[in-house]
Amino acid sequence: DQQVKQNSPSLSVQEGRISILNCDYTNSMFDYFLWYKKYPAEGPTFLISISSIKDKNEDGRFTVFLNKSAKHLSLHIVPSQPGDSAVYFCAASGSGTASKLTFGTGTRLQVTL
Amino acid sequence: EPEVTQTPSHQVTQMGQEVILRCVPISNHLYFYWYRQILGQKVEFLVSFYNNEISEKSEIFDDQFSVERPDGSNFTLKIRSTKLEDSAMYFCASSEDTRDRVYNEQFFGPGTRLTVL
Repeated sequence: DQQVKQNSPSLSVQEGRISILNCDYTNSMFDYFLWYKKYPAEGPTFLISISSIKDKNEDGRFTVFLNKSAKHLSLHIVPSQPGDSAVYFCAASGSGTASKLTFGTGTRLQVTL
Repeated sequence: EPEVTQTPSHQVTQMGQEVILRCVPISNHLYFYWYRQILGQKVEFLVSFYNNEISEKSEIFDDQFSVERPDGSNFTLKIRSTKLEDSAMYFCASSEDTRDRVYNEQFFGPGTRLTVL
Protein backbone atom coordinates (compact mmCIF):
# COMPACT_ATOMS: atom_id res chain seq x y z
CA ASP A 1 0.00 0.00 0.00
CA GLN A 2 1.83 3.06 -1.31
CA GLN A 3 -0.90 5.67 -1.19
CA VAL A 4 1.54 8.29 0.12
CA LYS A 5 5.10 8.26 -1.15
CA GLN A 6 8.20 10.17 -0.25
CA ASN A 7 10.74 9.16 -2.83
CA SER A 8 13.76 10.82 -1.27
CA PRO A 9 14.88 8.95 1.85
CA SER A 10 17.37 11.68 2.70
CA LEU A 11 18.27 15.27 1.93
CA SER A 12 21.25 17.38 2.96
CA VAL A 13 21.05 21.17 2.89
CA GLN A 14 23.35 23.91 4.06
CA GLU A 15 22.26 26.16 6.90
CA GLY A 16 20.46 29.23 5.58
CA ARG A 17 19.45 27.63 2.29
CA ILE A 18 16.04 26.34 1.29
CA SER A 19 15.00 22.77 2.07
CA ILE A 20 12.37 21.26 -0.23
CA LEU A 21 10.77 18.00 0.77
CA ASN A 22 8.46 16.26 -1.65
CA CYS A 23 5.51 13.95 -1.32
CA ASP A 24 3.24 12.23 -3.86
CA TYR A 25 -0.09 10.56 -3.28
CA THR A 26 -2.32 8.34 -5.32
CA ASN A 27 -5.68 8.47 -3.55
CA SER A 28 -7.78 11.33 -4.93
CA MET A 29 -10.13 11.00 -1.93
CA PHE A 30 -7.55 12.51 0.38
CA ASP A 31 -8.82 15.84 1.61
CA TYR A 32 -6.23 17.08 4.01
CA PHE A 33 -2.46 16.89 4.07
CA LEU A 34 -0.06 17.31 6.93
CA TRP A 35 3.65 17.41 7.58
CA TYR A 36 5.13 16.00 10.76
CA LYS A 37 8.66 16.22 12.04
CA LYS A 38 10.19 13.43 14.08
CA TYR A 39 13.30 13.29 16.20
CA PRO A 40 14.72 9.92 17.31
CA ALA A 41 12.92 8.40 20.32
CA GLU A 42 10.12 10.98 20.08
CA GLY A 43 6.66 10.97 18.55
CA PRO A 44 5.82 12.84 15.34
CA THR A 45 5.36 16.57 15.93
CA PHE A 46 2.77 18.39 13.84
CA LEU A 47 4.29 21.10 11.66
CA ILE A 48 1.87 22.41 9.09
CA SER A 49 -1.19 21.29 7.16
CA ILE A 50 -3.16 22.16 4.07
CA SER A 51 -6.68 21.50 2.95
CA SER A 52 -7.29 20.18 -0.56
CA ILE A 53 -9.17 23.37 -1.44
CA LYS A 54 -5.99 25.41 -1.07
CA ASP A 55 -2.71 25.37 -2.94
CA LYS A 56 -0.48 27.04 -0.37
CA ASN A 57 -0.23 27.46 3.36
CA GLU A 58 2.49 29.35 5.14
CA ASP A 59 3.58 29.38 8.77
CA GLY A 60 6.77 31.23 9.53
CA ARG A 61 9.68 29.47 7.86
CA PHE A 62 7.46 26.62 6.68
CA THR A 63 5.34 26.66 3.55
CA VAL A 64 3.39 23.75 2.11
CA PHE A 65 2.38 23.72 -1.54
CA LEU A 66 -0.28 21.43 -2.95
CA ASN A 67 -0.68 20.56 -6.62
CA LYS A 68 -3.88 18.52 -6.80
CA SER A 69 -3.70 17.81 -10.51
CA ALA A 70 -0.25 16.28 -10.05
CA LYS A 71 -1.17 14.73 -6.68
CA HIS A 72 1.96 16.28 -5.27
CA LEU A 73 2.80 18.35 -2.26
CA SER A 74 6.00 19.88 -1.01
CA LEU A 75 7.30 21.42 2.18
CA HIS A 76 9.65 24.38 1.92
CA ILE A 77 11.78 25.42 4.86
CA VAL A 78 13.44 28.81 4.51
CA PRO A 79 15.96 29.46 5.89
CA SER A 80 17.01 26.01 7.03
CA GLN A 81 18.51 25.75 10.51
CA PRO A 82 20.54 22.96 12.14
CA GLY A 83 17.64 22.32 14.53
CA ASP A 84 15.52 21.37 11.52
CA SER A 85 17.55 18.18 11.14
CA ALA A 86 15.01 15.39 11.65
CA VAL A 87 12.84 12.95 9.74
CA TYR A 88 9.89 14.60 8.00
CA PHE A 89 6.73 12.66 7.32
CA CYS A 90 4.04 13.60 4.88
CA ALA A 91 0.57 12.38 5.89
CA ALA A 92 -2.83 12.47 4.26
CA SER A 93 -6.37 12.09 5.48
CA GLY A 94 -9.88 11.79 4.13
CA SER A 95 -12.61 14.22 5.10
CA GLY A 96 -14.04 14.24 8.59
CA THR A 97 -12.66 15.46 11.86
CA ALA A 98 -11.30 12.11 12.98
CA SER A 99 -10.11 10.48 9.81
CA LYS A 100 -7.05 8.29 10.04
CA LEU A 101 -3.70 9.50 8.79
CA THR A 102 -1.87 7.67 6.04
CA PHE A 103 1.84 8.33 6.31
CA GLY A 104 4.69 8.37 3.83
CA THR A 105 7.99 6.65 4.60
CA GLY A 106 9.72 9.85 5.63
CA THR A 107 12.67 11.95 4.45
CA ARG A 108 15.65 12.45 6.70
CA LEU A 109 16.77 16.09 6.49
CA GLN A 110 20.28 16.99 7.53
CA VAL A 111 21.05 20.70 7.79
CA THR A 112 24.78 21.26 7.76
CA LEU A 113 26.75 24.26 8.99
CA GLU B 1 1.96 23.44 26.38
CA PRO B 2 -0.39 20.45 26.70
CA GLU B 3 0.97 17.18 25.38
CA VAL B 4 0.10 13.54 24.96
CA THR B 5 1.96 11.29 27.38
CA GLN B 6 2.57 7.55 27.14
CA THR B 7 3.76 4.90 29.58
CA PRO B 8 5.89 2.92 29.71
CA SER B 9 8.53 4.25 27.33
CA HIS B 10 9.83 0.72 26.76
CA GLN B 11 8.08 -2.59 27.39
CA VAL B 12 9.75 -5.96 27.00
CA THR B 13 7.54 -9.03 27.07
CA GLN B 14 7.59 -12.70 26.24
CA MET B 15 5.66 -13.98 23.24
CA GLY B 16 2.13 -14.94 24.24
CA GLN B 17 1.93 -12.52 27.14
CA GLU B 18 -0.58 -9.73 27.44
CA VAL B 19 0.55 -6.12 27.42
CA ILE B 20 -1.26 -2.88 28.12
CA LEU B 21 0.09 0.34 26.73
CA ARG B 22 -1.14 3.51 28.38
CA CYS B 23 -1.75 7.00 27.08
CA VAL B 24 -3.01 10.23 28.55
CA PRO B 25 -4.38 12.36 25.69
CA ILE B 26 -4.56 16.15 25.75
CA SER B 27 -7.30 17.01 28.21
CA ASN B 28 -9.83 18.77 25.97
CA HIS B 29 -9.41 16.34 23.09
CA LEU B 30 -12.20 13.94 22.25
CA TYR B 31 -10.73 11.77 19.49
CA PHE B 32 -8.04 9.22 20.27
CA TYR B 33 -5.86 7.07 18.07
CA TRP B 34 -3.22 4.38 18.12
CA TYR B 35 -0.57 4.03 15.45
CA ARG B 36 2.49 1.85 15.26
CA GLN B 37 5.82 1.94 13.46
CA ILE B 38 7.75 -1.24 12.92
CA LEU B 39 11.47 -0.54 12.71
CA GLY B 40 12.38 0.77 9.27
CA GLN B 41 8.77 1.00 8.12
CA LYS B 42 6.18 3.72 7.93
CA VAL B 43 3.83 4.81 10.68
CA GLU B 44 0.61 2.78 10.35
CA PHE B 45 -2.87 3.50 11.66
CA LEU B 46 -4.35 0.97 14.06
CA VAL B 47 -7.54 2.38 15.50
CA SER B 48 -9.50 5.54 16.25
CA PHE B 49 -11.85 6.00 19.21
CA TYR B 50 -14.57 8.50 19.96
CA ASN B 51 -17.40 8.67 22.44
CA ASN B 52 -16.34 5.41 24.07
CA GLU B 53 -16.38 3.36 20.93
CA ILE B 54 -14.15 2.48 18.02
CA SER B 55 -14.68 4.80 15.05
CA GLU B 56 -12.40 3.04 12.61
CA LYS B 57 -9.85 0.25 12.70
CA SER B 58 -7.30 -1.11 10.28
CA GLU B 59 -6.83 -4.71 9.22
CA ILE B 60 -3.88 -4.87 11.61
CA PHE B 61 -6.25 -4.33 14.54
CA ASP B 62 -7.51 -7.89 14.86
CA ASP B 63 -9.11 -9.69 17.80
CA GLN B 64 -5.83 -9.67 19.71
CA PHE B 65 -6.08 -5.91 20.09
CA SER B 66 -8.51 -3.87 22.15
CA VAL B 67 -8.77 -0.28 23.31
CA GLU B 68 -10.39 1.23 26.33
CA ARG B 69 -10.90 4.54 28.02
CA PRO B 70 -11.20 3.29 31.61
CA ASP B 71 -11.55 6.73 33.16
CA GLY B 72 -11.69 10.36 32.11
CA SER B 73 -8.02 10.66 31.32
CA ASN B 74 -6.43 7.37 30.24
CA PHE B 75 -6.64 5.61 26.90
CA THR B 76 -5.19 2.12 26.69
CA LEU B 77 -4.21 -0.37 24.01
CA LYS B 78 -4.20 -4.02 25.04
CA ILE B 79 -2.56 -6.81 23.08
CA ARG B 80 -3.87 -10.09 24.46
CA SER B 81 -1.27 -12.56 23.24
CA THR B 82 1.77 -10.85 21.83
CA LYS B 83 3.60 -12.15 18.78
CA LEU B 84 7.15 -11.45 17.65
CA GLU B 85 5.78 -9.29 14.82
CA ASP B 86 4.05 -7.01 17.33
CA SER B 87 7.46 -5.56 18.18
CA ALA B 88 7.20 -1.92 17.18
CA MET B 89 6.93 1.63 18.42
CA TYR B 90 3.33 2.36 19.41
CA PHE B 91 2.13 5.94 19.25
CA CYS B 92 -0.97 7.37 20.83
CA ALA B 93 -2.49 10.51 19.34
CA SER B 94 -5.43 12.77 20.08
CA SER B 95 -7.34 15.54 18.37
CA GLU B 96 -9.97 18.00 19.48
CA ASP B 97 -13.53 18.25 18.34
CA THR B 98 -14.30 21.66 16.91
CA ARG B 99 -17.26 21.38 14.62
CA ASP B 100 -16.49 24.49 12.60
CA ARG B 101 -13.30 22.99 11.24
CA VAL B 102 -12.81 20.70 8.33
CA TYR B 103 -10.10 18.76 10.05
CA ASN B 104 -8.35 18.69 13.37
CA GLU B 105 -4.68 17.92 13.54
CA GLN B 106 -3.61 14.90 15.52
CA PHE B 107 -1.02 15.35 18.24
CA PHE B 108 1.22 12.43 19.04
CA GLY B 109 2.78 11.11 22.21
CA PRO B 110 6.44 10.07 22.47
CA GLY B 111 5.63 6.41 21.91
CA THR B 112 6.11 3.10 23.70
CA ARG B 113 8.71 0.76 22.31
CA LEU B 114 7.35 -2.79 22.57
CA THR B 115 9.84 -5.62 22.29
CA VAL B 116 8.44 -9.14 22.09
CA LEU B 117 10.96 -11.90 22.77
